[in-house]
Amino acid sequence: DAGVTQSPTHLIKTRGQHVTLRCSPISGHKSVSWYQQVLGQGPQFIFQYYEKEERGRGNFPDRFSARQFPNYSSELNVNALLLGDSALYLCASSHRTGGTQPQHFGDGTRLSIL
Amino acid sequence: SQQGEEDPQALSIQEGENATMNCSYKTSINNLQWYRQNSGRGLVHLILIRSNEREKHSGRLRVTLDTSKKSSSLLITASRAADTASYFCATDAETGGFKTIFGAGTRLFVKA
Repeated sequence: DAGVTQSPTHLIKTRGQHVTLRCSPISGHKSVSWYQQVLGQGPQFIFQYYEKEERGRGNFPDRFSARQFPNYSSELNVNALLLGDSALYLCASSHRTGGTQPQHFGDGTRLSIL
Repeated sequence: SQQGEEDPQALSIQEGENATMNCSYKTSINNLQWYRQNSGRGLVHLILIRSNEREKHSGRLRVTLDTSKKSSSLLITASRAADTASYFCATDAETGGFKTIFGAGTRLFVKA
């Protein structure tokens, strides 16, 4: 079975622009989570979606939004990009919501803001 | 802010030696998980230990959990060069919605 896939793998944007990152979960997984990982740090939780509903939100500004589609794929949108948004954005899927499930990660989208 | 903090931040050992990494957290948990990340890649789940468990094994991995001290340790025995990676602990929090909180990680380098 295919693992979690993310697109694009790399992206370069300038300050003030908008970006959309995409994630396809493992087949059968209904939960998708998004993380931001700055170089040298651990992943920071942004959102979790389960059955198309938001189940958790991290400490990120309203410029960050996400949604989950009927096929359980997900998009992360970031508006008014800042230099500090440069990071690796990771998507993870699991069968169900909650912390009892191992999460399966994609290899991320590397976002660079100029 | 990150709930989990790993110690040490970096560790360099020879192949065949054991590697021990520690994680501390701040609030009550239902379970704690350990993940591994190779450079530039996504994280890979290693092991999950529930709050009512004290020790768990998986191959060359041994995880302990001390809820009274709010700490966990990951031991990798007979390390290999391929174990070179960053290792993170992660805990769940369910206040105001669900969150997974990762520590800053331990960077392990195993010399062949």
